[in-house]
Amino acid sequence: DARVTQTPRHKVTEMGQEVTMRCQPILGHNTVFWYRQTMMQGLELLAYFRNRAPLDDSGMPKDRFSAEMPDATLATLKIQPSEPRDSAVYFCASGLRVTRAYEQYFGPGTRLTVT
Amino acid sequence: GIQVEQSPPDLILQEGANSTLRCNFSDSVNNLQWFHQNPWGQLINLFYIPSGTKQNGRLSATTVATERYSLLYISSSQTTDSGVYFCAVVGETSGSRLTFGEGTQLTVNP
Repeated sequence: DARVTQTPRHKVTEMGQEVTMRCQPILGHNTVFWYRQTMMQGLELLAYFRNRAPLDDSGMPKDRFSAEMPDATLATLKIQPSEPRDSAVYFCASGLRVTRAYEQYFGPGTRLTVT
Repeated sequence: GIQVEQSPPDLILQEGANSTLRCNFSDSVNNLQWFHQNPWGQLINLFYIPSGTKQNGRLSATTVATERYSLLYISSSQTTDSGVYFCAVVGETSGSRLTFGEGTQLTVNP
């Protein structure tokens, strides 16, 4: 049963601390997406990678967020320093090419609380 | 960018009832997906359906791309169908970015 996995599932941290979230995409999917879900903004794309190269990170605050894909089985999203407004659920999705687009499969999410 | 509107925003049903959820989008799309976010927050793929009709058990979906809308049908609803249903699209000029609607909150009562 192929699934996207994310760790940790929950994270509580204090303002100013570094937060690292990890994602393992479905084997064989070459595109990885990071989304954030908040009550105010809903679900929004932060960044995505194809074949480990960043293609679009326009949704990501560049001064404190960074996303990388060190190998095909691991994607990371880091926040440094974290702020209370970063509290949200962060989803990773991996994509399977279907004709002109990618069908996206979502992981269980990391619920981040910054106090 | 592309706009996605879902209706109704909220829906309350008795177990066994049928329902239709609607998604309108403002531009041509390469991708349209329906998701169910369950009460534990997980986003579950229901359909990948940029055009045409698909069925999976009690659920079916139809997308009429030329008229820029999609419908999700839920038949014989069960309490486990409760949650939020999202429509998400990738516009033809949006790269691979999924744009989500605001969702339909479905509550199925026993």
